[in-house]
Amino acid sequence: EDQVTQSPEALRLQEGESSSLNCSYTVSGLRGLFWYRQDPGKGPEFLFTLYSAGEEKEKERLKATLTKKESFLHITAPKPEDSATYLCAVQGGAQKLVFGQGTRLTINP
Amino acid sequence: NAGVTQTPKFQVLKTGQSMTLQCAQDMNHEYMSWYRQDPGMGLRLIHYSVGAGITDQGEVPNGYNVSRSTTEDFPLRLLSAAPSQTSVYFCASSFGTGSYGYTFGSGTRLTVV
Repeated sequence: EDQVTQSPEALRLQEGESSSLNCSYTVSGLRGLFWYRQDPGKGPEFLFTLYSAGEEKEKERLKATLTKKESFLHITAPKPEDSATYLCAVQGGAQKLVFGQGTRLTINP
Repeated sequence: NAGVTQTPKFQVLKTGQSMTLQCAQDMNHEYMSWYRQDPGMGLRLIHYSVGAGITDQGEVPNGYNVSRSTTEDFPLRLLSAAPSQTSVYFCASSFGTGSYGYTFGSGTRLTVV
């Protein structure tokens, strides 16, 4: 059974304080690992897809990396507008996404 | 380009009532799916469809029905609402296998009393 575990559950940072969010996964035949951002009262918004170990992708202050067992979402010099819940999901052999519980990130000015 | 549109945004039902949550997309996506999001549980897949006329069950299908008569629409039916179905429901769609990312609707917040 495909599983995704995200840590920490919540993270509070000061503006400019860099950190990383973790996504550990087990999946049968990884087809893709996804990162989404979710703002309160809204649907998840797609950020990245990673396909194989060693792959990295960047978007503004966010950088996602992938190993065979986990993915990290690095946030560099965050701003208050980066505050959101970040969701990790994997897609295995079946055409289904399995999501983690998310990390709630708060950036204080 | 509206993306994925869900209606209604909010709904209160009494136990035993039935209703249909609507989902429509205008991106000609083959794949559509329904998730529910509960505190501490993450997003869980209810049903999905890989094209018109084809549907399959996800992780938590009990108490829900779906059909896909057109590419654009994928309604979710609650047959006899129960308090355990109180949740936020999201519809999502994608091209092909979803490797380019899923587009989510803004959600329907359902309360069953």
